[in-house]
Amino acid sequence: DAGITQSPRYKITETGRQVTLMCHQTWSHSYMFWYRQDLGHGLRLIYYSAAADITDKGEVPDGYVVSRSKTENFPLTLESATRSQTSVYFCASSGNYHHEQFFGPGTRLTVL
Amino acid sequence: GDSVTQMEGPVTLSEEAFLTINCTYTATGYPSLFWYVQYPGEGLQLLLKATKADDKGSNKGFEATYRKETTSFHLEKGSVQVSDSAVYFCALITEINYGQNFVFGPGTRLSVLP
Repeated sequence: DAGITQSPRYKITETGRQVTLMCHQTWSHSYMFWYRQDLGHGLRLIYYSAAADITDKGEVPDGYVVSRSKTENFPLTLESATRSQTSVYFCASSGNYHHEQFFGPGTRLTVL
Repeated sequence: GDSVTQMEGPVTLSEEAFLTINCTYTATGYPSLFWYVQYPGEGLQLLLKATKADDKGSNKGFEATYRKETTSFHLEKGSVQVSDSAVYFCALITEINYGQNFVFGPGTRLSVLP
């Protein structure tokens, strides 16, 4: 199906484990983004990518790693998960930075 | 740095009431402005946008006007429905040297009672 998808939708992990959240879009959008949503903070940008092999830090990049080897995929990796990374993670894509962003359904991550 | 301020709510209204959610911003460049809506358990959806001063964005009965002089982009609707209950986010995108800046406000939860 066309659109932007995220997997898994729910994930429970333990402190210190590596976790990868997947994001896939079918529009061939140039821009892709990762946000986390926490009560009291709204949405905060973790990383974004302007094209394949081009990534840049957002507001809260520490503890996260991204890659973009293909235009349609933008995985987010927590190399050693911490409890403070418990959050809802949203992936988004955009054809142009001045255009609307299309959001995925989110991944709820719990780090015990 | 760039920022967006909006009333955090929650805002509780009766059906058919008038809605205003205030949004103001600070930005170093010339931002595009957006309102997104998030229904329970879902991702954000674009509600409306404006890309330059005095533009009015509108959709589903909602409106917002880009006011550069007051750096505001207030969301309004003349008659809310129960189905409008959601969280509303004001956001901006601005270009800075060699990059772009994306900023969302904290969100305003709206509850509409029948």
